Amino acid sequence: DVKVTQSSRYLVKRTGEKVFLECVQDMDHENMFWYRQDPGLGLRLIYFSYDVKMKEKGDIPEGYSVSREKKERFSLILESASTNQTSMYLCASSRTGRVANYGYTFGSGTRLTVV
Amino acid sequence: QKEVEQDPGPLSVPEGAIVSLNCTYSNSAFQYFMWYRQYSRKGPELLMYTYSSGNKEDGRFTAQVDKSSKYISLFIRDSQPSDSATYLCAMTPDSGNTPLVFGKGTRLSVIA
Repeated sequence: DVKVTQSSRYLVKRTGEKVFLECVQDMDHENMFWYRQDPGLGLRLIYFSYDVKMKEKGDIPEGYSVSREKKERFSLILESASTNQTSMYLCASSRTGRVANYGYTFGSGTRLTVV
Repeated sequence: QKEVEQDPGPLSVPEGAIVSLNCTYSNSAFQYFMWYRQYSRKGPELLMYTYSSGNKEDGRFTAQVDKSSKYISLFIRDSQPSDSATYLCAMTPDSGNTPLVFGKGTRLSVIA
């Protein structure tokens, strides 16, 4: 069964900490995405990547960075965690040119709480 | 105006009811339309997709696209308690690298 795996389901971090959220996919997908999901705000795109070592800003990149050193792995980095970054973080992947047929495959999410 | 508008609900229906979920959009370039289902504490999963205008049926689910009105719908027939979830519409102008634009999701509860 193909999947997107996020390293942690629940995470509690302190304000000011540097936080790493890891995502791995086993489908050889070219594209990977990081979203955050908040009640009333829906899914908001933070960053995405079309290829190894490539990244593009989404709608809300401030306070975040990403790393994609290998095709299967896409990391989201909170440089200095703040309480307003408390959220559900979802990673997704897709195959170029096949989004219409297969959409995105999402991970189960990481619930991050910053205290 | 938001690119994609979706009523957040919550929507509560009795088992067996026909459910209608809807999204409106403003970007006439959107060509590919999808519906995702998200169960509590899980990531969204693709339910159905359609290209351009028309209908598509899959079991109890029917997706409709009306590009002239910039309006898409998902109908669920004979709704079941297992259909209780949040339903998100998503759309994109191409099947390449342009990220999907998601609606905020409608929370549905089907009561037995």
